[in-house]
Amino acid sequence: DIQMTQSPSSLSASVGDRVTITCRASHSISSYLNWYQQKPGKAPKVLISVASSLRSGVPSRFSGSGSGTDFTLTINSVEPEDFATYYCQQSYISPWTFGQGTKVEIK
Amino acid sequence: EEQLVESGGGLVQPGGSLRLSCAASGFTFSKYWMHWVRQDPAKGLVWVSRISSDGSSRFYADSVKGRFTISRDNAKNTLYLQMNSLRAEDTGVYYCTRVEEGRYWFDPWGQGTLVKVSS
Repeated sequence: DIQMTQSPSSLSASVGDRVTITCRASHSISSYLNWYQQKPGKAPKVLISVASSLRSGVPSRFSGSGSGTDFTLTINSVEPEDFATYYCQQSYISPWTFGQGTKVEIK
Repeated sequence: EEQLVESGGGLVQPGGSLRLSCAASGFTFSKYWMHWVRQDPAKGLVWVSRISSDGSSRFYADSVKGRFTISRDNAKNTLYLQMNSLRAEDTGVYYCTRVEEGRYWFDPWGQGTLVKVSS
């Protein structure tokens, strides 16, 4: 199985900060990388698909980049509603696998 | 509105069985591959199983192969997961979710149903 490793596991940020989360795959996954946001007690919600495509309704302060094994999720100017846990997920090869998550907390 | 609603979770003893259901609405259920994904504090999000739109193809994670069975009833717009020989490590919130043909991400997700395997 392809292992997905996110860093950091958690971070603290203030409203207005720029936040960057990285995700590394154990093997090349081309651009088959998705990002999800999960809030407490809720299901994950897809934010970005195939590395950099912003899903409908997702604010433009979210962006994704990368290919191969290294990927980045960036939140420009974090808003209060962005404090949540973020997961990367590869869909290059079955079984599709997830990163362990990055919790973004309020500083 | 496209919606998935899971049910059937609960507390079960090791070795027991449980059947989860996922009711779909707001989209043409019979056109989509459907998946189950588990979330637990130890392993995070883990893909469990998927089934083709017509139910003819089914795939499982190694950890549940031979114990879990995924199925669907397109006339009832419902997805199922029959879970037998349950183990403590099967504990978690089970989500049903959809993957659109030609796309490679899970969307939408249900609200999840909690399964706890404990004596």
